[in-house]
Amino acid sequence: NAGVTQTPKFQVLKTGQSMTLQCAQDMNHNSMYWYRQDPGMGLRLIYYSASEGTTDKGEVPNGYNVSRLNKREFSLRLESAAPSQTSVYFCASSGPAGGHTQYFGPGTRLTVL
Amino acid sequence: GENVEQHPSTLSVQEGDSAVIKCTYSDSASNYFPWYKQELGKGPQLIIDIRSNVGEKKDQRIAVTLNKTAKHFSLHITETQPEDSAVYFCAAGDSGSARQLTFGSGTQLTVLP
Repeated sequence: NAGVTQTPKFQVLKTGQSMTLQCAQDMNHNSMYWYRQDPGMGLRLIYYSASEGTTDKGEVPNGYNVSRLNKREFSLRLESAAPSQTSVYFCASSGPAGGHTQYFGPGTRLTVL
Repeated sequence: GENVEQHPSTLSVQEGDSAVIKCTYSDSASNYFPWYKQELGKGPQLIIDIRSNVGEKKDQRIAVTLNKTAKHFSLHITETQPEDSAVYFCAAGDSGSARQLTFGSGTQLTVLP
């Protein structure tokens, strides 16, 4: 039981490049989330998916797109990376069996030059 | 939307002393208040949570108190140990199945041996 896994762990991009961050969970959770973490600002919600087939914007969605590929996987895409998107990205999942507690992955550290 | 403020941003205590971290929230509809611990290079991990129908909850050396009238909640760690050193985040959210959480900005706790 791996919980929430994220790939890659580290990534360096140049301004304007695109990339997709991958997230998968094996806890049979319905809901999945993408956050970004910046120094002194806590975690801010980018997008979330309440259930397979649905996605909704969070607090800071601009510059990102998401895909809920199936119940297990939720990806985050940066179409044209900007230096302001340099951050640590965390994926999380939650489900009724766990009282809707959010369980986090280990994070992806992204640098945009 | 919800706004969560967390204080202090840094806290140093001697091993064996107590540590208290405080948070306030703005949305009276929030009814779920988790606390997460984040160790260096890892994702946040839930350590305790409280729901609005409870005023206090305790788990060994960790306790959380909630004052819904004043819209504030606190984390108390007693008999601190060096392994308690980490960043702690409070959060507030609603009771929906896709529980959206708003996080505080974090407290860096250092336990000095």
